[in-house]
Amino acid sequence: QVQLQESGPGLVKPSQTLSLTCTVSGGSISSGGYYWSWIRQHPGKGLEWIGYIYYSGSTYYNPSLKSRVTISVDTSKNQFSLKLSSVTAADTAVYYCARDRATGTGLDYWGQGTLVTVSS
Amino acid sequence: QSVLTQPPSASGTPGQRVTISCSGSSSNIGSNTVNWYQQLPGTAPKLLIYSNNQRPSGVPDRFSGSKSGTSASLAISGLQSEDEADYYCAAWDDSPYVFGTGTKVTVL
Repeated sequence: QVQLQESGPGLVKPSQTLSLTCTVSGGSISSGGYYWSWIRQHPGKGLEWIGYIYYSGSTYYNPSLKSRVTISVDTSKNQFSLKLSSVTAADTAVYYCARDRATGTGLDYWGQGTLVTVSS
Repeated sequence: QSVLTQPPSASGTPGQRVTISCSGSSSNIGSNTVNWYQQLPGTAPKLLIYSNNQRPSGVPDRFSGSKSGTSASLAISGLQSEDEADYYCAAWDDSPYVFGTGTKVTVL
């Protein structure tokens, strides 16, 4: 059973960089066939797709966030990470990592999510 | 702001059938398959329907999906109390993966 777990600071100051890591267990990122994704949900709101990374390092970002987002992968640790720069209060959200089946068939495994608050 | 439009709420009594619509465009639903997610209160979303009408293992067959043109629908037959949740449609668009605005289903 694949499991994903987000980790990182729950509080980030405005203008700084938000950094989160997703640790994958029960499956190898290096095996291919999946996009490793980040999604966020503003408090009481809907879901917003941030982007994904393939095990090879290829990335694809939401154009609305592209200038501030970097997703990277560390296959040796079976982890992938999210960096979001120049954050504002509008970036306060629950951030989820998830596995995308890379065939248009959906995000089949999700982490439990982590709340990141942007505040001074 | 989402490009997939859903009704904000839907409700029914136990045993009833509830249908949720998802309206998109030619660049998303019209060109790609639709997935549906269920988000129970305080939990992460769960894949409920993929490829328009396929259920992942473990999803009860009272959940069904369909797609026609630039719209899709999720139906819940035999509504149960544990179905009270938020439901989101989703599809690839020309660029990003887009989610619907979400529908809160209440079991009366």
